[in-house]
Amino acid sequence: EAEVAQSPRYKITEKSQAVAFWCDPISGHATLYWYRQILGQGPELLVQFQDESVVDDSQLPKDRFSAERLKGVDSTLKIQPAELGDSAMYLCASSRWATGNTIYFGEGSWLTVV
Amino acid sequence: AQKVTQAQTEISVVEKEDVTLDCVYETRDTTYYLFWYKQPPSGELVFLIRRNSFDEQNEISGRYSWNFQKSTSSFNFTITASQVVDSAVYFCALSGGTNAGKSTFGDGTTLTVKP
Repeated sequence: EAEVAQSPRYKITEKSQAVAFWCDPISGHATLYWYRQILGQGPELLVQFQDESVVDDSQLPKDRFSAERLKGVDSTLKIQPAELGDSAMYLCASSRWATGNTIYFGEGSWLTVV
Repeated sequence: AQKVTQAQTEISVVEKEDVTLDCVYETRDTTYYLFWYKQPPSGELVFLIRRNSFDEQNEISGRYSWNFQKSTSSFNFTITASQVVDSAVYFCALSGGTNAGKSTFGDGTTLTVKP
C-alpha cells in the first residue's frame, strides 16, 4: 500500500540552527499538508498545498518557517532559526483532492530543539 | 470557527471490556466531514473512518462502531471487547467550510487497555 514518506524520522538541533523536513506524498495526491503536533495535543495545520500552490498558510509562522512544493509533488518544510518552542512532531499528509477527502499521514518527523 | 472537543483525556480499561470515546464538534457549516484516527506509539496517524454530515447511519467495522448524532453534534467511537493492541491515542477531526480540506483535530483520548 502506498504511503506518505517523510524524512528524517528524528532530528535534534540546536537553537538558532536551520532544520528541514522532506515529504513525498502518495502518488496522484494533489493536496499536501504539513501539520505540527505538540505533545499532548492534536495536530494543527501549518500549510496546505494544492499542487504547487499554497491554499492555506494562516498558521505558519512565516518569520521562521517556509514551505515549498515546487513541482507539485514532494515538499520541504524549513525552520530557520529553530527555537525551543518548535520542538514537536511535524506530520506530512496528502489527499487525492481537498474537499472532504480522507487525509493520509506519514510517520512524522520528531524535532527536538536544544 | 470549527472546534472539536474530546473531553476524555485518558481512559484505562481491562482487556475485553467495551469502551466508548466521545467526540463533540462545533461548526456552522451544513456540509462537513468527521474523521477518527488512531495514533499508536510509533506516531503515525492511522485513518479509521470518515463520515459526511448527510449520512447519520451508524457504522460497524469488526470490533469498531461509530455513532453519529447531528442533534447533539457528537460522533462517538466504541471499541467492543477491547484488546491490548487497541492502546493508542485516538483523535476525532472535523473538516468543512471555506477550506474543506483543512481538518481540525481534537486533543485526543489516550486509551490504555490492560491485559
